Amino acid sequence: SQTIHQWPATLVQPVGSPLSLECTVEGTSNPNLYWYRQAAGRGLQLLFYSVGIGQISSEVPQNLSASRPQDRQFILSSKKLLLSDSGFYLCAWSVGRVSAEAFFGQGTRLTVV
Amino acid sequence: AQRVTQPEKLLSVFKGAPVELKCNYSYSGSPELFWYVQYSRQRLQLLLRHISRESIKGFTADLNKGETSFHLKKPFAQEEDSAMYYCALRYWGGGTSYGKLTFGQGTILTVHP
Repeated sequence: SQTIHQWPATLVQPVGSPLSLECTVEGTSNPNLYWYRQAAGRGLQLLFYSVGIGQISSEVPQNLSASRPQDRQFILSSKKLLLSDSGFYLCAWSVGRVSAEAFFGQGTRLTVV
Repeated sequence: AQRVTQPEKLLSVFKGAPVELKCNYSYSGSPELFWYVQYSRQRLQLLLRHISRESIKGFTADLNKGETSFHLKKPFAQEEDSAMYYCALRYWGGGTSYGKLTFGQGTILTVHP
């Protein structure tokens, strides 16, 4: 069966420090991969989207970047964190085109101090 | 631009009362719409999709293209329905064969005993 792993679950980082959040999917091939941020009062915001290795679409200008070095691995990064990067980050995957369900990871609570 | 709007951040009802969570969308193409739910301490998960015309846990949602709405309804709310609900739209762009999933801001439903 398919599973999605996202880590770490919680992270406290100082302003200006780097960030690396990792997400891996098991049990499926060539998934569409997503990074979302769930900020207080703002719902789910799509940050990055990937349909294949090395193919990344950025949805909003920001201090973050994403990479997909392997088919089932999706990494969210920052060189220097800002206070405004605090939030709850969710990784998700889906396959197929019509009415494909998206499956979400457990999320990472990032607090930048 | 594609957008999903959930006008109510919070919705409170009593057990046994009808409940309707509103969702409006804007999209020039043919939409695919979903409702996702996040129960306390659980992952965000699919509740239902418009194309299936299904009823899940007593919830239904009808796509109204004229009003560009996809409201979620349940005739008799239960305490276990208390959760965060997200309306989502999958849209297609640039002639690609894949779609991006965008979410509304979410509605927190509380069902009181």
